[in-house]
Amino acid sequence: GAVVSQHPSRVICKSGTSVKIECRSLDFQATTMFWYRQFPKQSLMLMATSNEGSKATYEQGVEKDKFLINHASLTLSTLTVTSAHPEDSSFYICSARGMGYSNQPQHFGDGTRLSIL
Amino acid sequence: AQTVTQSQPEMSVQEAETVTLSCTYDTSESDYYLFWYKQPPSRQMILVIRQEAYKQQNATENRFSVNFQKAAKSFSLKISDSQLGDAAMYFCAYRSGNQGGSEKLVFGKGTKLTVNP
Repeated sequence: GAVVSQHPSRVICKSGTSVKIECRSLDFQATTMFWYRQFPKQSLMLMATSNEGSKATYEQGVEKDKFLINHASLTLSTLTVTSAHPEDSSFYICSARGMGYSNQPQHFGDGTRLSIL
Repeated sequence: AQTVTQSQPEMSVQEAETVTLSCTYDTSESDYYLFWYKQPPSRQMILVIRQEAYKQQNATENRFSVNFQKAAKSFSLKISDSQLGDAAMYFCAYRSGNQGGSEKLVFGKGTKLTVNP
């Protein structure tokens, strides 16, 4: 149980393109999903917290107009990197927490490697 | 703000031997959760073990166990009978347990574990 699917796993596109990444909880409902970014050989850094039916909460320094997050249902959150540039190239990972709070761990997707040419 | 420190960038262990990965953290909160995640070359984040701060008993999951020293703010991971499949990056992570507080995971920089046959 507790499977999180992330799609696509890899994207290569030209500078200026907008890229959408999907994060789905397959066998549980997730009121809260999280989007992380990981640079090579570095740790995961939280970008934003996505709550179903409300606006995402962005971490300091993350451009909300650049990284659009939509959490339209209890099983789907999307991250759109708008007008992507080479510096946006990174590994993006989502996670989802099941309903309830304190004792629910985050389950991670397989990540998306984004390469902007 | 909470911080997580993993002082060992790399560790190696012989197959079937035991290895301990170190993690310290800094927080002023009394209620929180600690986690160890494993990230193999596939980049998927896999939850290895978790510990609730209010529990004095150290968590164990098969060959994985922790040494949780709350006063010292230390949370080390012991891997017994190491297997080749244990080779991965290991991340220590902290999450607040306060109701209404941030659910974000704060990660350490990771320890790369190599298992030698």
